[in-house]
Amino acid sequence: KAGVTQTPRYLIKTRGQQVTLSCSPISGHRSVSWYQQTPGQGLQFLFEYFSETQRNKGNFPGRFSGRQFSNSRSEMNVSTLELGDSALYLCASSQMTSGTDTQYFGPGTRLTVL
Amino acid sequence: SQELEQSPQSLIVQEGKNLTINCTSSKTLYGLYWYKQKYGEGLIFLMMLQKGGEEKSHEKITAKLDEKKQQSSLHITASQPSHAGIYLCGADIGYALNFGKGTSLLVTP
Repeated sequence: KAGVTQTPRYLIKTRGQQVTLSCSPISGHRSVSWYQQTPGQGLQFLFEYFSETQRNKGNFPGRFSGRQFSNSRSEMNVSTLELGDSALYLCASSQMTSGTDTQYFGPGTRLTVL
Repeated sequence: SQELEQSPQSLIVQEGKNLTINCTSSKTLYGLYWYKQKYGEGLIFLMMLQKGGEEKSHEKITAKLDEKKQQSSLHITASQPSHAGIYLCGADIGYALNFGKGTSLLVTP
């Protein structure tokens, strides 16, 4: 099976712009989670989607949003970018029909905000 | 919230040496995951532990979860340059993983 794919791999934006990141999960996986990784804060949970519904959300401002499509592909959007949004954004997929299942991560999207 | 502390923060070992990385939780662990990350890349799943006293091995890597389920260790036997990277432990918090800050491993010739 193909692994989790994320596009684009690298992005450079300026403050105030918005950005959309895409994630395609492993075939058959219905849960997609997003994490932000920075040198200072480490890996932090953003949100999780299952069957097109956001089930859980981390402690991030409303500028961070996401959605999931009927084919389980997911996008996350960050509006009004700030310098502090520069990070590696990781997407993970799992079967996760109930409880917690092993999450498999994509290669990440490196976002740089200038 | 559940805090995970990893030690050491970084490690430099000579090829062929054994090493251990620890992950200590502030609360009982109901599921503990180990991942490896190459610098700036995604996480590679290594192992998952759930039961107190559980031990799992894959190739030269062994992970254990202590009986009280508040600490896990990752042991690498006869380290190789391919083992270099960042090792992360993640606690299952029901709907996501809460990660430690990671241990950076460098293996020298």
